[in-house]
Amino acid sequence: EVQLVESGGGLMQPGGSLRLSCAASGFTFNTYSMNWVRQAPGKGLEWVSYIGSSSGTIYYADSVKGRFTISRDNAKNSLYLQMNSLRAEDTAVYYCARDSRYCSGGTCWRVYYYMDVWGKGTTVTVSS
Amino acid sequence: EIVLTQSPGTLSLSPGERATLSCRASQSISSNYLAWYQQKPGQAPRLLIYGASSRATGIPDRFSGSGSGTDFTLTISRLEPEDFAVYYCQQYGGSFTFGPGTKVDIK
Repeated sequence: EVQLVESGGGLMQPGGSLRLSCAASGFTFNTYSMNWVRQAPGKGLEWVSYIGSSSGTIYYADSVKGRFTISRDNAKNSLYLQMNSLRAEDTAVYYCARDSRYCSGGTCWRVYYYMDVWGKGTTVTVSS
Repeated sequence: EIVLTQSPGTLSLSPGERATLSCRASQSISSNYLAWYQQKPGQAPRLLIYGASSRATGIPDRFSGSGSGTDFTLTISRLEPEDFAVYYCQQYGGSFTFGPGTKVDIK
């Protein structure tokens, strides 16, 4: 079964740091790009960050640029999000999601743009 | 930056009825960049439609997508009890952005 499981959320004070993890299983993790998407309480979805399959390409939303760092360990089938200088507005459920971009044998494909596998999410609360 | 607008904000319908959800982009986008997701309370989003009109794996054929340019539509031909949820459209313009969502609730 294709699965993503996030962990690492919790209650943090403003200015604090937190590291989220996402464990992937059931698919060849090192061939897919990955994303983090968040959802503030009662709000819509907000894309946070993207990382290519070999970590060569990384993007961030302006709202987290300079504070969050995405990374992955393909040997451990894991995705990470290091969150520093946390703010109240970072309070959200954080989802990891598999990207439609797929790479194999040095060639990559991405005809359509979507996220097709999502974890259940981990909750981050930033409050004093 | 391309902004997505979804309408209506809430759609109140009965099981068996047809639901038509709209997603409008602030400028023309490729259909390849347009996807739809369903989210139920306390659950992660689920991919329904990609490429504006292709159903994702395992999605029932009562869900269909259409549109091009700036105007896209998600149609649920006959609402089942499990279809009452929030629906988001998504586009890609250098990064992913989502519409604000349409809530389909029971009338």
